[in-house]
Amino acid sequence: RKEVEQDPGPFNVPEGATVAFNCTYSNSASQSFFWYRQDCRKEPKLLMSVYSSGNEDGRFTAQLNRASQYISLLIRDSKLSDSATYLCVVNGYDYKLSFGAGTTVTVRA
Amino acid sequence: AAGVIQSPRHLIKEKRETATLKCYPIPRHDTVYWYQQGPGQDPQFLISFYEKMQSDKGSIPDRFSAQQFSDYHSELNMSSLELGDSALYFCASSLGDGNTIYFGEGSWLTVV
Repeated sequence: RKEVEQDPGPFNVPEGATVAFNCTYSNSASQSFFWYRQDCRKEPKLLMSVYSSGNEDGRFTAQLNRASQYISLLIRDSKLSDSATYLCVVNGYDYKLSFGAGTTVTVRA
Repeated sequence: AAGVIQSPRHLIKEKRETATLKCYPIPRHDTVYWYQQGPGQDPQFLISFYEKMQSDKGSIPDRFSAQQFSDYHSELNMSSLELGDSALYFCASSLGDGNTIYFGEGSWLTVV
């Protein structure tokens, strides 16, 4: 079983819609959680760090549920520019970072 | 702000040749990571260094080696290249192991 698992999608949504997806992790001792955004053929870029119960940055909200061992990312008022693959990253065993396989989001006009 | 610098950005090699990729971390970052990302795949961890010592090893082939130098830059050496080594190779750096990592723009390796 992978340490970090994500719904690969794709999530195909119209502009202005809200889209949300989860990431589950297997190590209950994990302390640090991140969402990265990756555009096609580009490097992953940090979107948000999630350290406690969650946080919000503009249209993006990340939630952490330690009991069920998942984090979620919610995007409100989707823009065309939000189309990307969103990677969930968790510090897993031995405090090493583990990547999920990514969730693809496509926002259509 | 300075980011992670990788070179070369694009590289074409023939099978069985050798390639070297270089990475210059963000200033004051002490940890460097190497990842390989094939088409349609998530980044696969290869190897990492903390304070010039190897800190973790992932799915790095025996044909590959890497090191971190005294100025914290790192080099990934790949020998006996195979067609399957064609991928985007990312270097990333962080301050401390396991903390937020920042990626370079990647080096495209094509083996023909």
